[in-house]
Amino acid sequence: EVVMTQSPATLSVSPGERATLSCRASQSVSSNLAWYQQKPGQAPRLLIYDASTRATGIPARFSGSGSGTEFTLTISSLQSEDFAVYYCQQCNNWPRTFGQGTKVEIK
Amino acid sequence: EVQLLESGGGLVQPGGSLSLSCAASGFTFSNYAMSWVRQAPGKGLEWVSAISAGGGSTYYADSVKGRFTISRDNSKNTLYLQMNSLRAEDTAVYYCAKDKGNWGSGFDYWGQGTLVTVSS
Repeated sequence: EVVMTQSPATLSVSPGERATLSCRASQSVSSNLAWYQQKPGQAPRLLIYDASTRATGIPARFSGSGSGTEFTLTISSLQSEDFAVYYCQQCNNWPRTFGQGTKVEIK
Repeated sequence: EVQLLESGGGLVQPGGSLSLSCAASGFTFSNYAMSWVRQAPGKGLEWVSAISAGGGSTYYADSVKGRFTISRDNSKNTLYLQMNSLRAEDTAVYYCAKDKGNWGSGFDYWGQGTLVTVSS
């Protein structure tokens, strides 16, 4: 099983600042990686797929990069609605696996 | 508008069974793979199972293999998850999710989830 490790577990950021979230895979997953945002009481929302492609309706302040085993989600200027938990997921191997999540909180 | 509506959750005793359904609308259901993903209270996301568009291929997490069965009825636009030999650790919100396409691009639509509680 591919183990996905996200860091940090919690990120404290002020509104308007940049946030950088990391995701590492225990083996190569090529570019088959997705990022999701989840707010309390809501289902996850797809932000990025294929490591760097924004999903429909996702603002340009969200960007993804990386391939192989190292991936990054960057939020260029945090808005109030961006404070949430973010998960990465590898879509290359079975079973599909998620990272444990990074909580982005208001500093 | 794409909609996924899960049903069938509830309280069940350890060792018991439960069947979940996910009614899909707003897209051509038979063209897309589907998955179940769960989230234990206060915990992260765990992928549970997936099924190909035609239903011929299925995949399971090790934690549910041999106990859960995923299936679909493309004539009814419905996804199912049969859960047997339930354990306390299966307690979670269960989401159905639509594959974006080509297996490798994540899940672009999710239902709102149905809560399964395994307790005596």
